[in-house]
Amino acid sequence: GAGVSQSPSNKVTEKGKDVELRCDPISGHTALYWYRQSLGQGLEFLIYFQGNSAPDKSGLPSDRFSAERTGGSVSTLTIQRTQQEDSAVYLCASSLQRNGNQPQHFGDGTRLSIL
Amino acid sequence: AQKVTQAQTEISVVEKEDVTLDCVYETRDTTYYLFWYKQPPSGELVFLIRRNSFDEQNEISGRYSWNFQKSTSSFNFTITASQVVDSAVYFCALSAHSGNTPLVFGKGTRLSVIA
Repeated sequence: GAGVSQSPSNKVTEKGKDVELRCDPISGHTALYWYRQSLGQGLEFLIYFQGNSAPDKSGLPSDRFSAERTGGSVSTLTIQRTQQEDSAVYLCASSLQRNGNQPQHFGDGTRLSIL
Repeated sequence: AQKVTQAQTEISVVEKEDVTLDCVYETRDTTYYLFWYKQPPSGELVFLIRRNSFDEQNEISGRYSWNFQKSTSSFNFTITASQVVDSAVYFCALSAHSGNTPLVFGKGTRLSVIA
């Protein structure tokens, strides 16, 4: 499809394990964002990539969280030594690079459950 | 710091009623963008509108209309003649004006339209 693709749709894992979440943005979109949606916290920004610039990591909640974007396209969000409070829906979005802040288009998210 | 407040946590209306979702924002920026997104039960976030802070004209799109008042820092969203398919969580969001920057979201308003 032409939209933002995220995988897996659902992930259940045990506390302490590492997880990797994948995002494939819309073709041609140079900006890519990760957000987290959890009960009581709403939608929180985690990290964003803009072209070849250094990513803005200011939203990452701890050093257990990291993300990379290879070749300016696909991005992987990695959570190490998962904790129960990491349970949430992780949303990826992408947007075009133009003047002004372009609308972000979201994927369906990955629902992460930490047992 | 930027902040978006959606004071209405949940609203329930009967089909065909009009409903207004409130959004109040805080920012020190003189220029910025405002957005509304819809999140239906299926989970994906759907972009509805982007408003440039320079433009205070109200906008209408079918049954949807938006009232931007810079003087009160509000960007309210009205659905006219609501339908069951309008049932969703609606998020208001704020971003900087230049470049592609992360969105600051409100907590969302859950709208239930009852047949």
